[in-house]
Amino acid sequence: DTGVSQNPRHKITKRGQNVTFRCDPISEHNRLYWYRQTLGQGPEFLTYFQNEAQLEKSRLLSDRFSAERPKGSFSTLEIQRTEQGDSAMYLCASSLKGSGDTQYFGPGTRLTVL
Amino acid sequence: QKEVEQNSGPLSVPEGAIASLNCTYSDRGSQSFFWYRQYSGKSPELIMFIYSNGDKEDGRFTAQLNKASQYVSLLIRDSQPSDSATYLCAVNPPGSNYQLIWGAGTKLIIKP
Repeated sequence: DTGVSQNPRHKITKRGQNVTFRCDPISEHNRLYWYRQTLGQGPEFLTYFQNEAQLEKSRLLSDRFSAERPKGSFSTLEIQRTEQGDSAMYLCASSLKGSGDTQYFGPGTRLTVL
Repeated sequence: QKEVEQNSGPLSVPEGAIASLNCTYSDRGSQSFFWYRQYSGKSPELIMFIYSNGDKEDGRFTAQLNKASQYVSLLIRDSQPSDSATYLCAVNPPGSNYQLIWGAGTKLIIKP
């Protein structure tokens, strides 16, 4: 069990560019979550996968955001046409169905949009 | 609107004392409750979870749940400077498909 990993750890981009983040969950975990967190706030739910199926997506998430989890393993989160308001820490968490669904977080990707 | 409320702090506690952190939630049917610790610039780290009314102890940490009053608390005994962090409360309301609702966190400062 190597924990949840995320890449890159930091990303600086110019407004209007596309960015993609990757999350590798704990190997036996079948549930994967993406969150966004800004300073002084708790994590904000973005989307959730069970295996390869995206089961829930926040109504607050604009269509510039898309996530995939091919083959139910790693996941990617893409933000198109980035805006300064997208600057935040993007967190990935995973859990195992039937284990109380306790979520374990990766180190996060800090995005700065200039 | 499902809500989880925490006092933002900062809560300042002398080293060696008991730190008490509180969290209230709006959805009476909530079943699972989690406490996470988050150091500045880092991701949340699970401390404890609790499902049943009453107390649950793990080392220096005790979680207390009162579903009738809709609050959950975290006690930290023998507080250490390394406990200084933001403590996040998360709740899993019914029908949420395991989406957690998060409080904004309480900043705890342990003074040597």
